[in-house]
Amino acid sequence: QVQLRQWGAGLLKPSETLSLTCAVYGGSFSGYYWSWIRQPPGKELEWIGEINQSGVTNYRPSLKSRVTISVDTSKNQFSLRLSSVTAADTAVYYCTRGRPINYWGQGTLVTVSS
Amino acid sequence: DIVMTQSPDSLAASLGERATINCQSSQSVLYSSNNKNYLAWYQQKPGQPPKLLIYWASTRESGVPDRFSGSGSGTDFTLTISSLQAEDAAVYYCQQYYSTSLTFGGGTTVEIK
Repeated sequence: QVQLRQWGAGLLKPSETLSLTCAVYGGSFSGYYWSWIRQPPGKELEWIGEINQSGVTNYRPSLKSRVTISVDTSKNQFSLRLSSVTAADTAVYYCTRGRPINYWGQGTLVTVSS
Repeated sequence: DIVMTQSPDSLAASLGERATINCQSSQSVLYSSNNKNYLAWYQQKPGQPPKLLIYWASTRESGVPDRFSGSGSGTDFTLTISSLQAEDAAVYYCQQYYSTSLTFGGGTTVEIK
């Protein structure tokens, strides 16, 4: 059974860098795109970007200048960094697998507040 | 980006009734080389991540009850719940995975009267 477990800081100040990591348990790490998706409170889902096991990335154009997604295949992990956060980046962040998405992490609420 | 537009924003129906949710994409998500529509439907309940219900526009994910069905092609799609159950109260999202940038619809809230 595939499980995605994610962790990272939940409270940030404006201008800081958001950092989250997702570990994949069970199943193959290869052959999939691994994405980060966020959901502001009470709002719709927003795709941030994705990476495959070779490190090929695709990013949401509006976030591209601030986003880095990386992968550590030796640990079956992938990570998200989002720089210069503002209150608009407050959301639940999910790590996910695949296109379409058939596995999701548990979600991490990240709040940006001074 | 491909813009996904869902309607209605919300609906309320009684137990056993049919519920229909529509999704329109700003451009076709039908890939001509394999004749597949790159369209998925998800169900999200409060405090939980979304759950995949339907992919390729009409293929049910394993374990999803057969009262859920998807239809449509090109730019217009529908999710139908044939006989609403109490546990179907949730928000439903469509998503296209045709383009490099994944995009979701705004969601439809289904309530049970």
